[in-house]
Amino acid sequence: GAVVSQHPSWVICKSGTSVKIECRSLDFQATTMFWYRQFPKQSLMLMATSNEGSKATYEQGVEKDKFLINHASLTLSTLTVTSAHPEDSSFYICSARIRDYSYNEQFFGPGTRLTVL
Amino acid sequence: RKEVEQDPGPFNVPEGATVAFNCTYSNSASQSFFWYRQDCRKEPKLLMSVYSSGNEDGRFTAQLNRASQYISLLIRDSKLSDSATYLCVVMDSNYQLIWGAGTKLIIKP
Repeated sequence: GAVVSQHPSWVICKSGTSVKIECRSLDFQATTMFWYRQFPKQSLMLMATSNEGSKATYEQGVEKDKFLINHASLTLSTLTVTSAHPEDSSFYICSARIRDYSYNEQFFGPGTRLTVL
Repeated sequence: RKEVEQDPGPFNVPEGATVAFNCTYSNSASQSFFWYRQDCRKEPKLLMSVYSSGNEDGRFTAQLNRASQYISLLIRDSKLSDSATYLCVVMDSNYQLIWGAGTKLIIKP
């Protein structure tokens, strides 16, 4: 099956630092990757949609200058949380849609738990 | 009103019992429907898609009622390993997934 990895799986950082999260599709090419955020006991919220080679499309209310997304290749997308603050502490999950595959199936990474002190 | 609503639970159910969850969605133009399972501190995993005619996968049965805009999931002969949060997911006309907040299920021995 399609495997998506994320790194790191968890990170603790000081307020004001930047954190980069990587999302990789290991055995397939992903034309589209999605970044979600999930706060405790809440639903997954889509932050942005990332297409390879183009700028990410951000959802309303998500600051593009704070959450930098780069999708430089068909197997890698990165999310950088710049100048992180405690309110950015959350579970960040990426997913990938397989190129030339069923449009309605997304494969999820294991998530990255970010704690900002 | 939330786009996808679920009872957060928790549902405490004895092992072997049958349990059902419902989910309602607000966008009548929604195209596809899914149930995902999420274990604590893990990513969601697709449990099953939901088809208009209803579908079954082992102990799991999903139903869709487009007229009333609700989706259901039935779990028969529940196992301890079924304990998880079940997420109702709706795909809108832009192929974007809209997630419910999930229903927590606890199966007790």
